[in-house]
Amino acid sequence: DAGVIQSPRHEVTEMGQEVTLRCKPISGHDYLFWYRQTMMRGLELLIYFNNNVPIDDSGMPEDRFSAKMPNASFSTLKIQPSEPRDSAVYFCASSFSNYYGYTFGSGTRLTVV
Amino acid sequence: GDSVTQMEGPVTLSEEAFLTINCTYTATGYPSLFWYVQYPGEGLQLLLKATKADDKGSNKGFEATYRKETTSFHLEKGSVQVSDSAVYFCATYETSGSRLTFGEGTQLTVNP
Repeated sequence: DAGVIQSPRHEVTEMGQEVTLRCKPISGHDYLFWYRQTMMRGLELLIYFNNNVPIDDSGMPEDRFSAKMPNASFSTLKIQPSEPRDSAVYFCASSFSNYYGYTFGSGTRLTVV
Repeated sequence: GDSVTQMEGPVTLSEEAFLTINCTYTATGYPSLFWYVQYPGEGLQLLLKATKADDKGSNKGFEATYRKETTSFHLEKGSVQVSDSAVYFCATYETSGSRLTFGEGTQLTVNP
């Protein structure tokens, strides 16, 4: 099992550009979570899906952020337009029925200049 | 909703010292409890868990016991190593909330 796979590992972009982060969860897992981690705010839950359906997006900071899960093996988090304050490490995690703990990906380090 | 309070860091220890990182929680029911570890440049990894009162989770020399009476789940290790340097997160899960609630994390540095 390759675990949760995120791409890219690092992304540097200019303010105003669109950024798309990708995640492949573990096969068979029915929950998928997107987190953002910064020194100032720590670990923040942005949105999570159950069986590809968004359940709670109350953590999405603003309309510039959107997330999709078109099928059980793929999810994207998009920021358009990006701003310097979006610079952070973004983690994807998946779990089976939410009870046994999450498996996290290695994260995408986003820098917006 | 649930909340998790962790011992403030950073914590700095010498190799082979005893480690305790305190964690207390508030919850409406009887949550499952977890410790996650994040090594530099990596995502969080599940370290150990306990699902009911008096259960003891253990892994890699780390232990934590689910104490319902004190609503605590303190992480302990008898002899830390330099390789244990990482950030440690306590977390709770309640079915009603259907997601994990994480503490703020505690940075541990172990010096040789």
